[in-house]
Amino acid sequence: DQQVKQNSPSLSVQEGRISILNCDYTNSMFDYFLWYKKYPAEGPTFLISISSIKDKNEDGRFTVFLNKSAKHLSLHIVPSQPGDSAVYFCAAGFVGSQGNLIFGKGTKLSVKP
Amino acid sequence: EPEVTQTPSHQVTQMGQEVILRCVPISNHLYFYWYRQILGQKVEFLVSFYNNEISEKSEIFDDQFSVERPDGSNFTLKIRSTKLEDSAMYFCASSVETDQPQHFGDGTRLSIL
Repeated sequence: DQQVKQNSPSLSVQEGRISILNCDYTNSMFDYFLWYKKYPAEGPTFLISISSIKDKNEDGRFTVFLNKSAKHLSLHIVPSQPGDSAVYFCAAGFVGSQGNLIFGKGTKLSVKP
Repeated sequence: EPEVTQTPSHQVTQMGQEVILRCVPISNHLYFYWYRQILGQKVEFLVSFYNNEISEKSEIFDDQFSVERPDGSNFTLKIRSTKLEDSAMYFCASSVETDQPQHFGDGTRLSIL
């Protein structure tokens, strides 16, 4: 069951540069997507979301892009900071459902000073 | 900022024993969820709960599992007869609505011996 895929297990970026985290999905019925950040020994922390009626959503240094035809979304972090080092999870769901989120396996981002 | 709290942070239990994991969702949230993450694997949906009843459950959530909201603040997950494969991090989450972000607790690490 690989409905949500994050194909890069890790990403290393220099402080101040852009981090781009990618996520692909297979179920075209998904209409709600989220990014979570997770530090060790903590739960996932909500970062940003996007519904399928949009192709971009921005919140400070974080921007999520959605390409429905390619079934692809990405998270851009600009500029990257060492405190952004964490595991980032992409998740997808259905607005009309009871909230069941499907998660990707995560990408570990390391931002080097 | 309000947060979801989970207790205990670590639970060690003998196989075959019952275990209860506890959660206090954010106070104005109406929807509650349990997820689990087996070491090295994805975060997986177990169950969602609204208006004092289960609204959706995954195939993982078999007869060994149950959820309850015993009072106005707690939300519990019970595993009746634990198996070795139940060892995982269990995350509780809550949201205002199903199309609003789910906020996660820091999890309970369940170790079955």
